[in-house]
Amino acid sequence: EAGVAQSPRYKIIEKRQSVAFWCNPISGHATLYWYQQILGQGPKLLIQFQNNGVVDDSQLPKDRFSAERLKGVDSTLKIQPAKLEDSAVYLCASSLQAGEQPQHFGDGTRLSIL
Amino acid sequence: GENVEQHPSTLSVQEGDSAVIKCTYSDSASNYFPWYKQELGKGPQLIIDIRSNVGEKKDQRIAVTLNKTAKHFSLHITETQPEDSAVYFCAAISNDYKLSFGAGTTVTVRA
Repeated sequence: EAGVAQSPRYKIIEKRQSVAFWCNPISGHATLYWYQQILGQGPKLLIQFQNNGVVDDSQLPKDRFSAERLKGVDSTLKIQPAKLEDSAVYLCASSLQAGEQPQHFGDGTRLSIL
Repeated sequence: GENVEQHPSTLSVQEGDSAVIKCTYSDSASNYFPWYKQELGKGPQLIIDIRSNVGEKKDQRIAVTLNKTAKHFSLHITETQPEDSAVYFCAAISNDYKLSFGAGTTVTVRA
C-alpha cells in the first residue's frame, strides 16, 4: 500500500512570501491531518479534516495559514505571508477514521524562511 | 487538553543492550497510546501502539507497557541494533481525539 505522499520535500522562501504544500493521503483514509514540527519538538496539530470538512482548526493561525481538502482526498496547506517562526517541517498524516486510529505520516516538507 | 511528558531526552546504549523510554500523560480519559520512530529527514513511523484495555503488548524486540492507574506508559527495545538509532516519540489520544506527542527521545546505539 502506498504511503502518504507530500511535496515539495524542501522549500526556501523569504519572509512575507507565500508558500503551499500538497498532500495525498493513503487511499481510503477519510481523515487527514496537518502537523507542524519545529526542530527538536514533537509534531503539533494544525488542522484535521474528515472527508472534505474541517473537524478541528483551533491551533491553525488563521490570519496567515489556510488549508483545504476540496474533494475529500488531496489537501493543500498555504502560508501567506510567511514569518521567520514558520520555519519547520510540515507533516501530513492520514487515518481510516478519526478517533483512536493509527495515524500514518508522510515525510514532510522542510520549510526555511530567510 | 492532553499533556504528555517523555524521559529521557537522550539515551545512549551499547549495541545488544536494552533501551527504555518512559512517558506520563495527564488526561485519565486517554485510551490510545502509539509510539513513533523518526529517522533523519523522514516522517514519524508508527512502530507499536497500545489501548487502555491492555497492559502490555510485544512485537519482536519492541514492547510497550501501560499503567492506567499511574498514567504512565513505557517503550522497551531489547537487543538494540545500530538501525534502532533514531528519535522516538510517545503520544496519546484523549477524548477530543487529538494526538498529543511527547518531546522525543534521541536514541543512539553504539557499535
